[in-house]
Amino acid sequence: AQTVTQSQPEMSVQEAETVTLSCTYDTSESDYYLFWYKQPPSRQMILVIRQEAYKQQNATENRFSVNFQKAAKSFSLKISDSQLGDAAMYFCAYRRRGYGGSQGNLIFGKGTKLSVKP
Amino acid sequence: SAVISQKPSRDICQRGTSLTIQCQVDSQVTMMFWYRQQPGQSLTLIATANQGSEATYESGFVIDKFPISRPNLTFSTLTVSNMSPEDSSIYLCSVGPADREIFDTEAFFGQGTRLTVV
Repeated sequence: AQTVTQSQPEMSVQEAETVTLSCTYDTSESDYYLFWYKQPPSRQMILVIRQEAYKQQNATENRFSVNFQKAAKSFSLKISDSQLGDAAMYFCAYRRRGYGGSQGNLIFGKGTKLSVKP
Repeated sequence: SAVISQKPSRDICQRGTSLTIQCQVDSQVTMMFWYRQQPGQSLTLIATANQGSEATYESGFVIDKFPISRPNLTFSTLTVSNMSPEDSSIYLCSVGPADREIFDTEAFFGQGTRLTVV
């Protein structure tokens, strides 16, 4: 079974600084997707960034980038120029590639609570 | 993308009663997913709801406790039956990925239902 581990329950960063959130996963699959979701106090799950396992290039979305190390099964999120609005729970998630059946659901890590200090 | 309306957004219920949560999607989807997020915890899949068939439940979740309806391709309900304080959680519905090609990677979430059982 696939598992996702986030070893940092809480992290703190100064506004405008950079922070890295860690995520490791375990799978026997070779093709899959990895995600970082943000959950602010509003409870809405917001996709931050996604990575296809078959792509060697690390995904980037504006201030957010990942360091995807497939052999090490590591998928960290770097937030640059942190803003107060970045404060939230961040969840790392895994999904098998494909359609239908049990391939559609996400497997989540326990989350990292990020605080941003002004 | 998909817009998901989930209601109620929150409720406080007496133990022993039942609550039905509704999830409406603005497009037709084959699969809908129901997750539970216990206080301070990650998201755990309860079941996958396919239109026209019985829902598929994950280990630890049973139909008698969490009956699900899926009458059409845009709507689903989750009922939390015979509630106890341990059922106090956030419940979220989700669609995609792996429903159709346009949902190949991203999952979309409702805004969640915060349930408190007293």
